[in-house]
Parts: sequence; C-alpha cells; structure tokens
Amino acid sequence: NAGVMQNPRHLVRRRGQEARLRCSPMKGHSHVYWYRQLPEEGLKFMVYLQKENIIDESGMPKERFSAEFPKEGPSILRIQQVVRGDSAAYFCASSRQGAGNEKLFFGSGTQLSVL
Amino acid sequence: GESVGLHLPTLSVQEGDNSIINCAYSNSASDYFIWYKQESGKGPQFIIDIRSNMDKRQGQRVTVLLNKTVKHLSLQIAATQPGDSAVYFCAENRGGSYIPTFGRGTSLIVHP
Repeated sequence: NAGVMQNPRHLVRRRGQEARLRCSPMKGHSHVYWYRQLPEEGLKFMVYLQKENIIDESGMPKERFSAEFPKEGPSILRIQQVVRGDSAAYFCASSRQGAGNEKLFFGSGTQLSVL
Repeated sequence: GESVGLHLPTLSVQEGDNSIINCAYSNSASDYFIWYKQESGKGPQFIIDIRSNMDKRQGQRVTVLLNKTVKHLSLQIAATQPGDSAVYFCAENRGGSYIPTFGRGTSLIVHP
C-alpha cells in the first residue's frame, strides 16, 4: 500500500516562473493537507482540501498561491511568479477522515528552490 | 536529559538514556494531540497520539503524558537509540477543527 506520494522531490525555479507541486494521497484517503516548512522551523498550515473542494485555505497567501484536488488525479499546489521567499519544503499529508480525529500521513515533501 | 519545551530546540543524550521532550500547547480547547518524528530529508512520521480524556498513553519505547491543567505534553523515549535522532514535533487539534497546529519542534541528538 503506497504512502503519500509527492513529486518532484526537488524543484528549481527562477524568479517569476511557476511552480507546480503534486501530491497523491494514500489509497482510500480523501482529505489532503498542504504544509510549508522553512529550515529550523515547524510546519505551517496552508490549505485543506477534500475531493473537488477547498475546505480551509486560511494559511495560503492571498496572491500567487492556489491549490486544487480534482475528482481524478493528484492534488496540485501551484505557485505563480515565484520569489526567493517561496523557497521552502512543501509537505502534503492525507487522512481518511478529517484530521480532527486521526493522524496525518505525510509525503516526503518537495524542496522548492528559487534562484 | 530533559528539554524545557519549545524554547530549547536541541536535546543531546547518550545512547541508552531515557529522553523527555516537552511541548507547551496553546489552546485549552484542544482535544487531540499527536507526536511526529521527522528525520532529515523526510516527511513527519506519526509516533503516538493521545486524546484529552486520557493523561497517559504508552507505545513501544514511547510514552506520552498530557497535563491539561498546565497545557503541557511530553514524549518520553526509553533506552534512546541513534536511530531516534530526529526532530520531534507535537501537534494539537482544537475541538471541531480539522487543522492540526504544529509546534516548532525539538531536535534530538543521540550520541553513541
């Protein structure tokens, strides 16, 4: 049973380009969470999605960032016109039910580097 | 050894010692708590959880203690091994919320 799959593992972009980060949740999981982690810091919540719905995006910057979780296919975190401050590790997690009642399963993350 | 919560981000212990990692949570309405372990270059991995109707829960070599009076959570690791070296995060869920909030983390370094 494959775990949460994220790709790419490493992504290098120049300022102004777009970054697309993909996340396939564990089989049977319909809840997806995206977190951002800076070096030496904890995980900061960005967005919580269920299939075809954004449930909570209170942690997402208002501009340039968007997320989706279509009926078919992986969840996508999209960052437009990247800036150096976007450099971070982005982790996706999934759960079968809402995480208020159960633990999250995390992927290995995507390390985004903006030159 | 003992860490004094999130204000002391590094804990160094000798192999075989017991480790205690502390976490002060912020919301008295939180009712579900989880400890995660994150090794370098990897995503966080679940260790153990506890609900607010309990004050202690044991796993294999790990014990979580919850003190709701002072909003304090601790993770005890018995007979610490080099493979336990990692950053440990506590996470809390407020009642009714689907969004776990993570603490800053404590780096555990185990010396052979």
